[in-house]
Amino acid sequence: GDSVTQMEGPVTLSEEAFLTINCTYTATGYPSLFWYVQYPGEGLQLLLKATKADDKGSNKGFEATYRKETTSFHLEKGSVQVSDSAVYFCALGGSNAGGTSYGKLTFGQGTILTVHP
Amino acid sequence: EAGVAQSPRYKIIEKRQSVAFWCNPISGHATLYWYQQILGQGPKLLIQFQNNGVVDDSQLPKDRFSAERLKGVDSTLKIQPAKLEDSAVYLCASSSSGRYNEQFFGPGTRLTVL
Repeated sequence: GDSVTQMEGPVTLSEEAFLTINCTYTATGYPSLFWYVQYPGEGLQLLLKATKADDKGSNKGFEATYRKETTSFHLEKGSVQVSDSAVYFCALGGSNAGGTSYGKLTFGQGTILTVHP
Repeated sequence: EAGVAQSPRYKIIEKRQSVAFWCNPISGHATLYWYQQILGQGPKLLIQFQNNGVVDDSQLPKDRFSAERLKGVDSTLKIQPAKLEDSAVYLCASSSSGRYNEQFFGPGTRLTVL
């Protein structure tokens, strides 16, 4: 079945440091890939997505590239801020070749990011 | 546009008691999902509805959990009787039909079973 593996956490960085959170996946067919973020006390919010191989998703300075050859979707940001402190989830959604989803998302275990001033 | 609404936000019950959670999805979203998020883990799908029909309930512990989506709009998830291991955050999400699984999540209900 589908699965997502995220790097072990938590991750602690100083403000303006470079961030990478690794994500690899196992899936059949044509999955779409997502990064969701969960700020303290809030629900999950979609951060970015990529729906086919070599697509790059980007939002709020975060980027991730869908790499089919390495089955990866690593999250990066060049300069983190204190306000980026949150839990980040990599997720996979199954789709057919036309992009119509099969439904559920399969999530990784989450990575806690703490950014200090 | 209003987001996904859930209530209550917090619930504390004794084991063997029953509890119900309510979700109102984004207007017009045909697909509704209930996820269980245990502390330190990613969300896991419990059940998926398309309009008022069940699409996937393969991970729902049907001996104690039930869910319904009457009229294809809001939904309730019930646990009866609750066990200690049901302590988790229960997330509701919705999406429009079709493409790319983009799901919008509610704030969740944090359940503590004592």
